[in-house]
Amino acid sequence: GQNIDQPTEMTATEGAIVQINCTYQTSGFNGLFWYQQHAGEAPTFLSYNVLDGLEEKGRFSSFLSRSKGYSYLLLKELQMKDSASYLCAVRSNYGQNFVFGPGTRLSVLP
Amino acid sequence: EAGVVQSPRYKIIEKKQPVAFWCNPISGHNTLYWYLQNLGQGPELLIRYENEEAVDDSQLPKDRFSAERLKGVDSTLKIQPAELGDSAVYLCASSFGTGHLEANTGELFFGEGSRLTVL
Repeated sequence: GQNIDQPTEMTATEGAIVQINCTYQTSGFNGLFWYQQHAGEAPTFLSYNVLDGLEEKGRFSSFLSRSKGYSYLLLKELQMKDSASYLCAVRSNYGQNFVFGPGTRLSVLP
Repeated sequence: EAGVVQSPRYKIIEKKQPVAFWCNPISGHNTLYWYLQNLGQGPELLIRYENEEAVDDSQLPKDRFSAERLKGVDSTLKIQPAELGDSAVYLCASSFGTGHLEANTGELFFGEGSRLTVL
């Protein structure tokens, strides 16, 4: 089976840094994805990790440790528009199935 | 380039009525997914197509849900009859799949979803 855990909610202040953690247990692994989803909108792709280490993309970075079944998304210089849900998803190496975590709802306060 | 297109955006029906959702994936994407998303939760897979073949429908409640992807492009998801618990957002997504030369990461591209309310 597959299980993905994320904190349900987080709150941070504008301009600050926030780290959203994701732990997973899967029967196969072929990449970990982070998506952003604003209320009432479609999820949009943020980042992808398939090897251990840090991937940086502007204000957003994502880290992966395959041996620990752990990833985090790091958001720097938080802006009000970053208030959204952040979804961690694992792609199984058995076909192309993506399993999503429950999402972390981030609120950025002024 | 057009993204994944879904319709209708919103649908309100009474229980026991049928409903259908339509999805047009990004051109060239051979893999198409239907997900169900309840409020405050992550998307849950209903069915995945590789071209016109349903390769994973293990989570699709086949007593009331059906799907098709004729010609390996557009897809429809049908519920008949709808129940109160079917109220959710139905998301369609597509991807190249990692075996494709243009796949890059093979990430999913989502449509805006069809929000169903069953009364």
